[in-house]
Amino acid sequence: DSGVTQTPKHLITATGQRVTLRCSPRSGDLSVYWYQQSLDQGLQFLIQYYNGEERAKGNILERFSAQQFPDLHSELNLSSLELGDSALYFCASSPGVAGAEQFFGPGTRLTVL
Amino acid sequence: GQQLNQSPQSMFIQEGEDVSMNCTSSSIFNTWLWYKQDPGEGPVLLIALYKAGELTSNGRLTAQFGITRKDSFLNISASIPSDVGIYFCAGPASGSARQLTFGSGTQLTVLP
Repeated sequence: DSGVTQTPKHLITATGQRVTLRCSPRSGDLSVYWYQQSLDQGLQFLIQYYNGEERAKGNILERFSAQQFPDLHSELNLSSLELGDSALYFCASSPGVAGAEQFFGPGTRLTVL
Repeated sequence: GQQLNQSPQSMFIQEGEDVSMNCTSSSIFNTWLWYKQDPGEGPVLLIALYKAGELTSNGRLTAQFGITRKDSFLNISASIPSDVGIYFCAGPASGSARQLTFGSGTQLTVLP
């Protein structure tokens, strides 16, 4: 158990819908990272937050957004969902803004029908 | 952007055998990480390497940070059934942020 929690574990929805994925980092960690894992693209970095502020953006679509709240939990919002958004979404956390060691949560499996 | 080439893509080995996999990059990394992922689970950090030439062990796992800083190796000795899974190498971006770039993974199957 990494100490990172994610909810829900599974999410099934329809195209065009909007969903919210939630992540709580390890106790004491200030950085939260979101990654997408699909069969054809592998593990891809989406976005990083540190202590409530966005720090880095990767291959995140404009339909996706995230935020980190004062209690340090983070939410990833996915809107206007398409079939191709079906994937595993992972949250990871690390103590500082530049810590290389990241600890991953169990993931949310999103299925868009 | 940075890319990591991981090989082999898959391996089938007998229980008790040793395993070796590697990761190469066209650019320099200052840190190399090795993760293992079980089906339906999140990646679990196995070993972190911070210095060129560094050799680090974690039980039956040993990883090395290549001298050129462009490669890393992971060895598993005396494999057991629970070693089954996907092994990923990863490296952090340069600069203040530390998002990870992942290799494509090595799928390991251990046959009884």
